[in-house]
Amino acid sequence: NAGVTQTPKFRILKIGQSMTLQCAQDMNHNYMYWYRQDPGMGLKLIYYSVGAGITDKGEVPNGYNVSRSTTEDFPLRLELAAPSQTSVYFCASSTTGTNQPQHFGDGTRLSIL
Amino acid sequence: GQNIDQPTEMTATEGAIVQINCTYQTSGFNGLFWYQQHAGEAPTFLSYNVLDGLEEKGRFSSFLSRSKGYSYLLLKELQMKDSASYLCAVIDSNYQLIWGAGTKLIIKP
Repeated sequence: NAGVTQTPKFRILKIGQSMTLQCAQDMNHNYMYWYRQDPGMGLKLIYYSVGAGITDKGEVPNGYNVSRSTTEDFPLRLELAAPSQTSVYFCASSTTGTNQPQHFGDGTRLSIL
Repeated sequence: GQNIDQPTEMTATEGAIVQINCTYQTSGFNGLFWYQQHAGEAPTFLSYNVLDGLEEKGRFSSFLSRSKGYSYLLLKELQMKDSASYLCAVIDSNYQLIWGAGTKLIIKP
């Protein structure tokens, strides 16, 4: 009963490096989301997907890319990491649309130095 | 713009009752969520309101008034494990979920 699994849990990157944050869910959910959470701020939506092969931008997509080749996986790619991308990243999934509860992964704590 | 207001921090005593308020100004309304987030952990779903009134679920209740753009989360018989942040989130007319910054609840013995 894994739910939503995110890897890695922690990562330190140097400015300009790239990396992929992995997210997988085993609940057969159609909708998946990537958020970032900065201290004292609400969750900000980066990208979301309503099904395999379909992705769309959220509120703060600049500097990120996603893909959704399968129902289970929704990786987030950071290109040319910048200090402003230091944050906690959460992946979430839901059965259908935003009127359904979202199930969150444990998060990835990312520092860009 | 769209805005959700919650108190930044609240303190309550173990065994007492606390009410956490959430007011929203959004382009339309299609539902409101409350989530609990313990420090260093992921948010977990608590409640969902789409119609006016009170929804009770054990020690937790959530209230909604759409005409006032207002919701509250009521926690009864507070326990130390209730120390956490409580996030209010509203679904707008485009079915986008708008998140508040959260209320940090501190429970004292």
